[in-house]
Amino acid sequence: NAGVTQTPKFQVLKTGQSMTLQCAQDMNHNSMYWYRQDPGMGLRLIYYSASEGTTDKGEVPNGYNVSRLNKREFSLRLESAAPSQTSVYFCASSDSYYGYTFGSGTRLTVV
Amino acid sequence: DAKTTQPPSMDCAEGRAANLPCNHSTISGNEYVYWYRQIHSQGPQYIIHGLKNNETNEMASLIITEDRKSSTLILPHATLRDTAVYYCIVRVRDAGNNRKLIWGLGTSLAVNP
Repeated sequence: NAGVTQTPKFQVLKTGQSMTLQCAQDMNHNSMYWYRQDPGMGLRLIYYSASEGTTDKGEVPNGYNVSRLNKREFSLRLESAAPSQTSVYFCASSDSYYGYTFGSGTRLTVV
Repeated sequence: DAKTTQPPSMDCAEGRAANLPCNHSTISGNEYVYWYRQIHSQGPQYIIHGLKNNETNEMASLIITEDRKSSTLILPHATLRDTAVYYCIVRVRDAGNNRKLIWGLGTSLAVNP
């Protein structure tokens, strides 16, 4: 039972580089989410997808794009990385009742 | 903004009950209270949730006051592995009627030997 799988687990980027964070869930959940977590702050929602084929902005969407590739996969793209995007990124999925299942996170450093 | 208020930190002796309080005085009638925890820097883990009634599962109990303005998460016999940050969250619906969790800073629980 893999749950939510995120790749990569660690990444170092140079300012201006691009990359895509991958997320896949095997629980047949409709909704998927991308959060970032910074020291001293709670999780902040970047983007979410309430169902396959839909995406919506969260609290902090600037500098990011997302793709809901199919029901299982939800990717987050940084087109031109900035040091302010250094953070831990969590992907999550949910059904309508039992709350969210989170991945183990991607630790991104932009230098 | 988070709709919940929690103490920033608490201590508990191993084997004793840990009672973690949460205030959510602006909660609406159809909004659920969820509890998660985060160990080290792992992904948050679901613990329990409730609407009006008290709830219990294999991990914890959730006590919600009758006016729903506050709740308490109870870990009946805390162990060292329960040391974590505990988040009390209200699940809201956004303008598109989608369910979302609004996260605060949580309570850092230290279980001591």
